Amino acid sequence: AAGVIQSPRHLIKEKRETATLKCYPIPRHDTVYWYQQGPGQDPQFLISFYEKMQSDKGSIPDRFSAQQFSDYHSELNMSSLELGDSALYFCASSLVVYARANTEAFFGQGTRLTVV
Amino acid sequence: AQTVTQSQPEMSVQEAETVTLSCTYDTSESDYYLFWYKQPPSRQMILVIRQEAYKQQNATENRFSVNFQKAAKSFSLKISDSQLGDAAMYFCAYRSAEETSGSRLTFGEGTQLTVNP
Repeated sequence: AAGVIQSPRHLIKEKRETATLKCYPIPRHDTVYWYQQGPGQDPQFLISFYEKMQSDKGSIPDRFSAQQFSDYHSELNMSSLELGDSALYFCASSLVVYARANTEAFFGQGTRLTVV
Repeated sequence: AQTVTQSQPEMSVQEAETVTLSCTYDTSESDYYLFWYKQPPSRQMILVIRQEAYKQQNATENRFSVNFQKAAKSFSLKISDSQLGDAAMYFCAYRSAEETSGSRLTFGEGTQLTVNP
């Protein structure tokens, strides 16, 4: 079965540079979520999109932005990178069940971002 | 805001034995989902089991089962016949099922499970 695809898998950037992470959800899934997991920490919710509109926003820095495109893939843009942005970034997708919030989310393998 | 607490940073179990991981949560909502995710060294997040709050019956998936106590806001995971491949970080997670409350997952701090041969 198709899974959530994230690219790139690994990324090394210097401080103050910009990074773009991509996420391709499971086919027919209409909701995408972004999470950030620092070393030894639990995943922290950043932002989500349903049908190309932002549906929920968590602890996402102002330096970060994201969007979901017409083909449902999503991109997380990160500017003015800081050392503290080094983390594993997960994308997850799910399918909304009408009149109820989403059920389980399926995660991609993550993008490991290292800022040096 | 909802919170999820896992009070056991580390647990260990002998192969073929049974282990229970604890999770408590705090919410004012009545309709929600609870999950256990497994994160092996590969760092992939793998769904282990799901529980819907309005269902009285505890969820079961092969060797994995939960003890869901809604009044106590407790959601523990029992792994039976533990296998070496079960070694991983286990995260308990909460998701609201109420339409206006957003759909993010809120995770606990995680429990690192070691399986000893």
